[in-house]
Amino acid sequence: SQQGEEDPQALSIQEGENATMNCSYKTSINNLQWYRQNSGRGLVHLILIRSNEREKHSGRLRVTLDTSKKSSSLLITASRAADTASYFCLTGAGSYQLTFGKGTKLSVIP
Amino acid sequence: SQTIHQWPATLVQPVGSPLSLECTVEGTSNPNLYWYRQAAGRGLQLLFYSVGIGQISSEVPQNLSASRPQDRQFILSSKKLLLSDSGFYLCAWRTIGGYSGNTIYFGEGSWLTVV
Repeated sequence: SQQGEEDPQALSIQEGENATMNCSYKTSINNLQWYRQNSGRGLVHLILIRSNEREKHSGRLRVTLDTSKKSSSLLITASRAADTASYFCLTGAGSYQLTFGKGTKLSVIP
Repeated sequence: SQTIHQWPATLVQPVGSPLSLECTVEGTSNPNLYWYRQAAGRGLQLLFYSVGIGQISSEVPQNLSASRPQDRQFILSSKKLLLSDSGFYLCAWRTIGGYSGNTIYFGEGSWLTVV
């Protein structure tokens, strides 16, 4: 099954700073997605990037994908306390088995 | 629009008691359905997935089981709970195909504490 691994495991920044987290994977993919999980809640889809795309923006989010390095990064600009959450990547390659990594726990300090 | 309902939201069960968590999806047909478990402060563990009625794939052998009696209903069960079954259980669904065909939609989760 496909599984991405997020890095770092934990990240603490001041409000207003940018937050960058990474995802690495091992096999070919069709797309890659990022999800956010607030404490005690279900995951929420943030953004999907296809394998033929290199960069994608959505509001304060910027996602890059480097298929040659099998990695992706999620950048959150001008972070807010409300961005405090865990972030997960999910790789898609046509498999029904959708497995997540351990996530990056982001803490934004007001 | 599609919605997913998962219940109960919270439950405390004694060791050895049975378990039934239910999940239903509205506004879509023939979804892929998933059960995940998340231990405190940990990542998500895929437990079961289903691509159709009566079809269940198990990822982790354990004392849990899943059933899909209807197209949009997914049930997680146990005959006898263990302490290690405690955790946060998430139901999820997705459709196949289209640009966002891989997007997964999660329920709000069920907190299970086995005492």
